[in-house]
Amino acid sequence: DAGVTQSPTHLIKTRGQQVTLRCSPKSGHDTVSWYQQALGQGPQFIFQYYEEEERQRGNFPDRFSGHQYPNYSSELNVNALLLGDSALYLCASSTMGREKTQYFGPGTRLLVL
Amino acid sequence: AQKITQTQPGMFVQEKEAVTLDCTYDTSDPSYGLFWYKQPSSGEMIFLIYQGSYDQQNATEGRYSLNFQKARKSANLVISASQLGDSAMYFCAMREGPGSGYSTLTFGKGTMLLVSP
Repeated sequence: DAGVTQSPTHLIKTRGQQVTLRCSPKSGHDTVSWYQQALGQGPQFIFQYYEEEERQRGNFPDRFSGHQYPNYSSELNVNALLLGDSALYLCASSTMGREKTQYFGPGTRLLVL
Repeated sequence: AQKITQTQPGMFVQEKEAVTLDCTYDTSDPSYGLFWYKQPSSGEMIFLIYQGSYDQQNATEGRYSLNFQKARKSANLVISASQLGDSAMYFCAMREGPGSGYSTLTFGKGTMLLVSP
């Protein structure tokens, strides 16, 4: 039973560039949430996708956008990268409609220079 | 106000000893869930244990137990018989509202646990 997978594992970009991060949820899960974890902090919620629509959003600017595909996989896009966007980006999957835990992937480490 | 507070930046414990990691939370929602995750240096968040606000008994999962004191709004993680592999960051997190429907997690700042031989 495959867990949550994310790609790439590491990424280096320069200010102003755009980046796309990818996530495949755990088998049987239909909901994907994205979190940003800055160094030394706990993860911060970015947004959540279910049925290919953004259902909830945290306090992040519109430069952060996403997408969910019919197979439940998801992308996180960040435009006009800032130095402060350097962080570990975590994807978590869960099931909608039932009380259950969010399971996390290994994360993508993004460094913006 | 912080919704999840972890007051211990770091904890040290010797192998085979028990350790308690503190977590207090703040919510006015009668339905909520509390989670503990472990994050090794590799970065992946590993789910350890869950406690629902209406659960009558404290949750246990192997060597992990959650000391849930609802009136005090605390949800401390107890690790019995620590192992070297337990060295990691530990995060307490809360989901407000019932589990059905859209819900997100709010995390504390974490506690670094170091287990020595």
